[in-house]
Amino acid sequence: DADVTQTPRNRITKTGKRIMLECSQTKGHDRMYWYRQDPGLGLRLIYYSFDVKDINKGEISDGYSVSRQAQAKFSLSLESAIPNQTALYFCATSGIGTSGSNEQFFGPGTRLTVL
Amino acid sequence: GENVEQHPSTLSVQEGDSAVIKCTYSDSASNYFPWYKQELGKRPQLIIDIRSNVGEKKDQRIAVTLNKTAKHFSLHITETQPEDSAVYFCAASLAAGNKLTFGGGTRVLVKP
Repeated sequence: DADVTQTPRNRITKTGKRIMLECSQTKGHDRMYWYRQDPGLGLRLIYYSFDVKDINKGEISDGYSVSRQAQAKFSLSLESAIPNQTALYFCATSGIGTSGSNEQFFGPGTRLTVL
Repeated sequence: GENVEQHPSTLSVQEGDSAVIKCTYSDSASNYFPWYKQELGKRPQLIIDIRSNVGEKKDQRIAVTLNKTAKHFSLHITETQPEDSAVYFCAASLAAGNKLTFGGGTRVLVKP
């Protein structure tokens, strides 16, 4: 089945380290997104990309950067990780689903802990 | 930008009863309102969505209503079952396939 995958699934790192979270999709969708999830705050958009040459900041982009290496790959980097970036990170794509809607499909998430 | 508020943050219901979750949004240009269900340790998954040209949509035991004038929309789950226990998120967007702004989530617990 076409899917959205994320690596790593869990990561513990130290303050100041550079971290890259990777996302790949086999859905053939052009649009890809990075969200972070914190308890009580829902999912907040970090960056999004509507095609390989298009990168846009979301509502909480400070401290993060992204790279769209190909239609199928969208990476999120934390240049110098800090403890308040401890969160669950989701990658998503958007395209037509079985519902007939142009919906967002989420990856399984990456749990990042910054000590 | 868009702001989505969701209430309540937690909801406990008896099996068989109904559950209602309410959301308000701020941007009158928003036209697409999906609802996602996230089971413990899983990824969010779309359960139902509604567009601004529709006032209500049903899919078996779940329904969504939209009041564009008041800028609020609600999720209704009837005849709740234990497998409905999860966190539910509402969201708003200018259009389907566009970036989403999510509410803070509602943790629903269905007690047998």
